[in-house]
Amino acid sequence: GAVVSQHPSRVICKSGTSVKIECRSLDFQATTMFWYRQFPKKSLMLMATSNEGSKATYEQGVEKDKFLINHASLTLSTLTVTSAHPEDSSFYICSATTQGQPQHFGDGTRLSIL
Amino acid sequence: QKEVEQDPGPLSVPEGAIVSLNCTYSNSAFQYFMWYRQYSRKGPELLMYTYSSGNKEDGRFTAQVDKSSKYISLFIRDSQPSDSATYLCPSYGNNRLAFGKGNQVVVIP
Repeated sequence: GAVVSQHPSRVICKSGTSVKIECRSLDFQATTMFWYRQFPKKSLMLMATSNEGSKATYEQGVEKDKFLINHASLTLSTLTVTSAHPEDSSFYICSATTQGQPQHFGDGTRLSIL
Repeated sequence: QKEVEQDPGPLSVPEGAIVSLNCTYSNSAFQYFMWYRQYSRKGPELLMYTYSSGNKEDGRFTAQVDKSSKYISLFIRDSQPSDSATYLCPSYGNNRLAFGKGNQVVVIP
């Protein structure tokens, strides 16, 4: 089946640091990638949709200057959390899809800001 | 009104039992149905997806879609402790998925 790799799986860093998370589709070309955030015991919330070569589309309430998304190739998207603060601590998950196919998810990145 | 309603559970069953999970949806335009499984601290894993009414089987898993009743089900036969997870039936529209909290299932050895 389709494989999506997300890296790193765990990040602990100080407040004010910027953190980059990578999402790769390993065995297919992903025309669209998605970034989600999930707080404990809550549902996945879509943050943004990213099409290769285009600017990401952000959901209402998600700050595009804080959560920078780059989708420069058909197999790689990155999410950078800029100047992270403790309230940004969460579980960040990416997914990837191509035309007419369901989304396949990475294993998530647990981000802890001290 | 949420587009998909799902009983959050938790649902506890003994090992070997049949697990039955249900979702009801409100939008009759839905054409694409799927079930994901999410283990704690992991991303969702696609279990099954289908475009049509009827049953789709994959090993111990059967997905059932009834478009006339706006009802989708997932059955797990011969449940195993490794099936303990949260099961998600997101709604799909505008090329986006919307997730609820899912059904938490616990299979007791």
